[in-house]
Amino acid sequence: LAKTTQPISMDSYEGQEVNITCSHNNIATNDYITWYQQFPSQGPRFIIQGYKTKVTNEVASLFIPADRKSSTLSLPRVSLSDTAVYYCLVGNQAGTALIFGKGTTLSVSS
Amino acid sequence: EAGVTQFPSHSVIEKGQTVTLRCDPISGHDNLYWYRRVMGKEIKFLLHFVKESKQDESGMPNNRFLAERTGGTYSTLKVQPAELEDSGVYFCASSSRLAGGPGELFFGEGSRLTVL
Repeated sequence: LAKTTQPISMDSYEGQEVNITCSHNNIATNDYITWYQQFPSQGPRFIIQGYKTKVTNEVASLFIPADRKSSTLSLPRVSLSDTAVYYCLVGNQAGTALIFGKGTTLSVSS
Repeated sequence: EAGVTQFPSHSVIEKGQTVTLRCDPISGHDNLYWYRRVMGKEIKFLLHFVKESKQDESGMPNNRFLAERTGGTYSTLKVQPAELEDSGVYFCASSSRLAGGPGELFFGEGSRLTVL
């Protein structure tokens, strides 16, 4: 399974756009990129998943360049409630276990 | 629709005792996973069921851990005998996807285990 590297922490202010980049240099051809969010004392929660180019849903966008060796999670106009740990995971098949890395702790201040 | 539920939410036991954690996945989800986070460490994969079969148990730390999923519905994770280093939060997740990309894993709130 491809290893991922993310910044350990990031700080932001309410209303700003936050971009968290994840490196996955040895991503395989059929690997997908998935992002999860985790609040203290809760289980991780799915945010978004993509294979290439750009994916957007109601909470975030995921940008994947052509070489797919990195990806960027974009959170528009963050609020205090977006303070959490964000995990980037790479996996290729339905049903196989996704491996969590260290994640990025995002702190949003007012 | 009910999400993934785990029981108990918190368990405190003494070293050498036995604890059984239970996970009820979302109805109809064939994939069930167990993960755990030991204090200050990353979330680690333990094992994966597809229905009642163990698809991957490469993350199980040792033979003190026994996971079952009889009938392909709920799952239990038994730790016997518990050691201090087993303390942490045990997460269960389920998913329905059996083909295509990884899909979405739905996680429970976790069961916190404290071994004294």
